[in-house]
Amino acid sequence: DTEVTQTPKHLVMGMTNKKSLKCEQHMGHRAMYWYKQKAKKPPELMFVYSYEKLSINESVPSRFSPECPNSSLLNLHLHALQPEDSALYLCASRLFGSKDEKLFFGSGTQLSVL
Amino acid sequence: GIQVEQSPPDLILQEGANSTLRCNFSDSVNNLQWFHQNPWGQLINLFYIPSGTKQNGRLSATTVATERYSLLYISSSQTTDSGVYFCAVVGTSGSRLTFGEGTQLTVNP
Repeated sequence: DTEVTQTPKHLVMGMTNKKSLKCEQHMGHRAMYWYKQKAKKPPELMFVYSYEKLSINESVPSRFSPECPNSSLLNLHLHALQPEDSALYLCASRLFGSKDEKLFFGSGTQLSVL
Repeated sequence: GIQVEQSPPDLILQEGANSTLRCNFSDSVNNLQWFHQNPWGQLINLFYIPSGTKQNGRLSATTVATERYSLLYISSSQTTDSGVYFCAVVGTSGSRLTFGEGTQLTVNP
């Protein structure tokens, strides 16, 4: 299994809604990431979890709340988002601490905030 | 932080043509990866190549770390090669993957 699975694929939410994005991998990877990508731009790092602990928060607004329940799962809880938060949200994972540091991405959640 | 420049920004090819994409970086790196993002948004890892040469089918990559550049070669291009190609690096003094702005490749039938 070499996949990172993200759900849902598409999400439309109002500014007062609460929703969650989910990410799952079964490759034994111990580093997991959330990225945000706007159209025609490269991905921007939001959060990194290493061994289920938050190791990097790139000064992301508190309306985005990450959670890593176990080594295979990563969630991103969304609350009171703004229209400018509309973007493709990508989850990624890597083995961590190996010679081959390839980063594997999920297919993303396309988020629209109305 | 480290700077990553990719060229060309846009490239249009006819099916069957060959192409070379370039990635320049401003400092020493211990991690360099090439990704392909297809038109549906999926980012596929093509190569992990901080130095040396690798080949995978019609794709190959070479990184000359001492001269701070990497090249991605696509031979006999197909329409399914269309999309954005990103180079991303981690500098030896850093910990985060820094992406270039990408090369938008369009392969016409």
